[in-house]
Amino acid sequence: DAKTTQPPSMDCAEGRAANLPCNHSTISGNEYVYWYRQIHSQGPQYIIHGLKNNETNEMASLIITEDRKSSTLILPHATLRDTAVYYCIVRRGSSNTGKLIFGQGTTLQVKP
Amino acid sequence: DSGVTQTPKHLITATGQRVTLRCSPRSGDLSVYWYQQSLDQGLQFLIHYYNGEERAKGNILERFSAQQFPDLHSELNLSSLELGDSALYFCASSVVGANTGELFFGEGSRLTVL
Repeated sequence: DAKTTQPPSMDCAEGRAANLPCNHSTISGNEYVYWYRQIHSQGPQYIIHGLKNNETNEMASLIITEDRKSSTLILPHATLRDTAVYYCIVRRGSSNTGKLIFGQGTTLQVKP
Repeated sequence: DSGVTQTPKHLITATGQRVTLRCSPRSGDLSVYWYQQSLDQGLQFLIHYYNGEERAKGNILERFSAQQFPDLHSELNLSSLELGDSALYFCASSVVGANTGELFFGEGSRLTVL
């Protein structure tokens, strides 16, 4: 599975959009991009995933560049409860195992 | 609530001891994954079971073992405990092999080794 690079930390003002970047320049054609977050030692929580098209759900939007070498997770209106570590993970869509390998992630601090 | 249940939530024990952590997956999920999270290592994948069979193994020490039972619950056994084994241990479950990549995590078991 391809490796990802994320900034270690970011700040965002409450109510503003939080844009979290992820670089995955070695991604293969059959690899998906997944985003999870972990709020203060709770279990990680799935946010969204995508292959090459942009995706949106009730939590966030995922923008994947045309060459698929990078992506951005967008939290449209960040709240204090969105303060968490955000993990960008790349994984093959067809796999004998659904394991996810977590990197260090980005610590997002939402400030009032 | 993810639907994944882990027990115990907290456990304090001494070096050299043995403990068992238990995980009940979401109803219908056949896959169970174990992760370890310590302060200096982040979330480390330990092992994956699917319908009772081991599917993938990560950085799991030989002192650790796991199994998945016919009712699909799983146990992680940690023996000859060392101070460095103090960590949060998470269990996750997913449908089948989870090609969708969505894993549902429990709240974790916090192990403290003194």
